[in-house]
Amino acid sequence: GQSLEQPSEVTAVEGAIVQINCTYQTSGFYGLSWYQQHDGGAPTFLSYNALDGLEETGRFSSFLSRSDSYGYLLLQELQMKDSASYFCAVNNAGNMLTFGGGTRLMVKP
Amino acid sequence: DSGVTQTPKHLITATGQRVTLRCSPRSEDLSVYWYQQSLDQGLQFLIHYYNGEERAKGNILERFSAQQFPDLHSELNLSSLELGDSALYFCASSVAGGSNEQFFGPGTRLTVL
Repeated sequence: GQSLEQPSEVTAVEGAIVQINCTYQTSGFYGLSWYQQHDGGAPTFLSYNALDGLEETGRFSSFLSRSDSYGYLLLQELQMKDSASYFCAVNNAGNMLTFGGGTRLMVKP
Repeated sequence: DSGVTQTPKHLITATGQRVTLRCSPRSEDLSVYWYQQSLDQGLQFLIHYYNGEERAKGNILERFSAQQFPDLHSELNLSSLELGDSALYFCASSVAGGSNEQFFGPGTRLTVL
């Protein structure tokens, strides 16, 4: 089977940096994706890592270590609008996604 | 706005009934994916269609079925509904060629009473 573990909740203050970790056990691994979901909204794509290393997109960065079956999402210069749930997801064959349970990020002023 | 549309937005029905959820992907996308999101099960992959053909199945119950039509829109059929089927159902689409980004529709909230 497949499983992904990520913290259920993280709290940080505006302007700070937060890291959301994700560990996975899976077969047929193609890459690790991150999605953001605001309450009542749909998941939206943030990033994708197929190879080891860091990918940077604006204030968000994502890291992958395939040998450690581990990745993280780094959010910098936190803003109130970043309060949302963040999901890591393993990309399997055919671009099928297996999602983790999600991390609820609360940004406080 | 992702460009993916889903109808209806909300659906309330009774146990034992059958419903159909509809999804229109972005115009350039050949792949459609269906996901179920509930509080206890999280976000779960149900099924993937590519250009009209079923490509992968996840944790989809036998009471559920889907299809993708020649115009690439897709329908998810849920039958013999149970209270536990109450959830948000999302469809997502992606371009051909293995693009890793999936574009999610706004979802259909199904409530089974």
